[in-house]
Amino acid sequence: GDSVTQMEGPVTLSEEAFLTINCTYTATGYPSLFWYVQYPGEGLQLLLKATKADDKGSNKGFEATYRKETTSFHLEKGSVQVSDSAVYFCALHSNAGNNRKLIWGLGTSLAVNP
Amino acid sequence: EAQVTQNPRYLITVTGKKLTVTCSQNMNHEYMSWYRQDPGLGLRQIYYSMNVEVTDKGDVPEGYKVSRKEKRNFPLILESPSPNQTSLYFCASSLRGPNIYGYTFGSGTRLTVV
Repeated sequence: GDSVTQMEGPVTLSEEAFLTINCTYTATGYPSLFWYVQYPGEGLQLLLKATKADDKGSNKGFEATYRKETTSFHLEKGSVQVSDSAVYFCALHSNAGNNRKLIWGLGTSLAVNP
Repeated sequence: EAQVTQNPRYLITVTGKKLTVTCSQNMNHEYMSWYRQDPGLGLRQIYYSMNVEVTDKGDVPEGYKVSRKEKRNFPLILESPSPNQTSLYFCASSLRGPNIYGYTFGSGTRLTVV
């Protein structure tokens, strides 16, 4: 079945460092791909998305490119801030069945130190 | 403000005592869903609803009930809670489905069953 694999955390960086969080997927068809972010004590928020191959999603300085050839959707940011400390979830939309269902990765915790 | 409101935020209860977690959204969204979040297991879908009076099981529906009598409300009912239902619960809504429109999440309900 469809699945999402994220790099395990926690990831610890200093402020202004470059961030990459790896996400790879397996899916039939042509899934849509998402990154969500969960700040401490809050629900998840949609960070960015891409709906077809080679699309780049971007928001708040974060970017991810839908790479069909490598089945990846890695999250990047050029210069992280302390306020980016959160858990990041990669997800894909499964085309199987009628449930407009998201398949979730397990999340990657990011801690940014001043 | 557009939001999903869950209540209560925290709840401690005893085994077997029926409880309801309420969820309400003010965005006229058709699609609503309940998730539980557990360490190491990520987000798992409990139930979802594509519209009023239309509900269906997610991945882990056992021990839960839902109803969708009005578009804005989607309560989660635990008829006889057990300790293995101790978890962090999230309600989420989407305009017509999270595959294209993404989810808006509530702030979560931390449930402890003793």
